[in-house]
Amino acid sequence: SAVISQKPSRDICQRGTSLTIQCQVDSQVTMMFWYRQQPGQSLTLIATANQGSEATYESGFVIDKFPISRPNLTFSTLTVSNMSPEDSSIYLCSVVGGQGSSYEQYFGPGTRLTVT
Amino acid sequence: AQKVTQAQTEISVVEKEDVTLDCVYETRDTTYYLFWYKQPPSGELVFLIRRNSFDEQNEISGRYSWNFQKSTSSFNFTITASQVVDSAVYFCALRGGGSNYKLTFGKGTLLTVNP
Repeated sequence: SAVISQKPSRDICQRGTSLTIQCQVDSQVTMMFWYRQQPGQSLTLIATANQGSEATYESGFVIDKFPISRPNLTFSTLTVSNMSPEDSSIYLCSVVGGQGSSYEQYFGPGTRLTVT
Repeated sequence: AQKVTQAQTEISVVEKEDVTLDCVYETRDTTYYLFWYKQPPSGELVFLIRRNSFDEQNEISGRYSWNFQKSTSSFNFTITASQVVDSAVYFCALRGGGSNYKLTFGKGTLLTVNP
């Protein structure tokens, strides 16, 4: 299975600021995604990170608030912009299509964000 | 639209008891994939199993077993002889066929195994 790392693992930020979360995979993967898990809730897909092109956002999520980059097949970033306390969540990177697997879907360890 | 229902919000058992976590799904896709994930208190999401819609064989892995029944649109997860380390939130998830890799998650079941 793919080994996924995320930086930072957690952060406390002030409202109005921005935070960029990095996701690094140890092998080339077909698909990369960003999910959000609000406190005590289930996971919701924010967007699909497309290599070399603009991300595909789910309903309710917009590029200005959550800009995403994916410069290659092993790396992606998610920025949470102009943060408010409602953005306090765990943000998880997810991948499909790592080495030896085309259908399994794995998740990174998550970034626990608190906005004050 | 895809939908996953985990009716059990919380379950509490005593160590060594067997416990079954229920998952019911809705989809119009003829090909789809079902997943179970474990989320311990540390927060990471641990992949447990993926099942294809065209493979109704049940699966056993150690103390874990999964019962997939298309007739009732259910994909239940049983832990035999539960242990304290099994305490976590367990999520069932559904992904459609084709090129849409979006996972639809249930709300999760918090399992507490008491010594």
